[in-house]
Amino acid sequence: KNQVEQSPQSLIILEGKNCTLQCNYTVSPFSNLRWYKQDTGRGPVSLTIMTFSENTKSNGRYTATLDADTKQSSLHITASQLSDSASYICVVSPGIPGGNKLTFGTGTQLKVEL
Amino acid sequence: DVKVTQSSRYLVKRTGEKVFLECVQDMDHENMFWYRQDPGLGLRLIYFSYDVKMKEKGDIPEGYSVSREKKERFSLILESASTNQTSMYLCASRTTGVDYGYTFGSGTRLTVV
Repeated sequence: KNQVEQSPQSLIILEGKNCTLQCNYTVSPFSNLRWYKQDTGRGPVSLTIMTFSENTKSNGRYTATLDADTKQSSLHITASQLSDSASYICVVSPGIPGGNKLTFGTGTQLKVEL
Repeated sequence: DVKVTQSSRYLVKRTGEKVFLECVQDMDHENMFWYRQDPGLGLRLIYFSYDVKMKEKGDIPEGYSVSREKKERFSLILESASTNQTSMYLCASRTTGVDYGYTFGSGTRLTVV
């Protein structure tokens, strides 16, 4: 069964600090992996997308890494801001023919405090 | 920017009512999706559509139906709402191509009482 597991479930950090969120997946075959940010009561917004051949992808203060051999990904947030408080969701897309059925993690709830 | 618009942010409906959730996208995407999101479960696919009048069941289609009469509009229908359908409903659309650029709407928080 295709699964995506994220850790930690929740995290509280002080403003200005860095943090790293983890994602392990069992989806096979694998097409790409995305990280989304979801603010409370809103839809997810894409941060990064990586195919199996990419190791790292940055979007401002967000840097995602991917190890397709170990089926692990991480999202590193640098110099956190209060606006980073949100749920971060790891999403894996299977290779064709399962291409339209994404597998979602349950998210890491991040809270950034003063 | 691609925009996916869901017609309602919040809805409260009674058990047994027929409920329509509407979703419109403005970028001529072929593929559209309906998900529900519940705490601790992640997003689960209800139905998707890859073309006008085409639909396919996702992982949890029971109690739902969909309609895609026009390319830009994808409707989710709860034939007879039940309390276990209280949830956040998210619509998404996708480009075709390698990077599968999904864009989500802001969601509809449905409460069935």
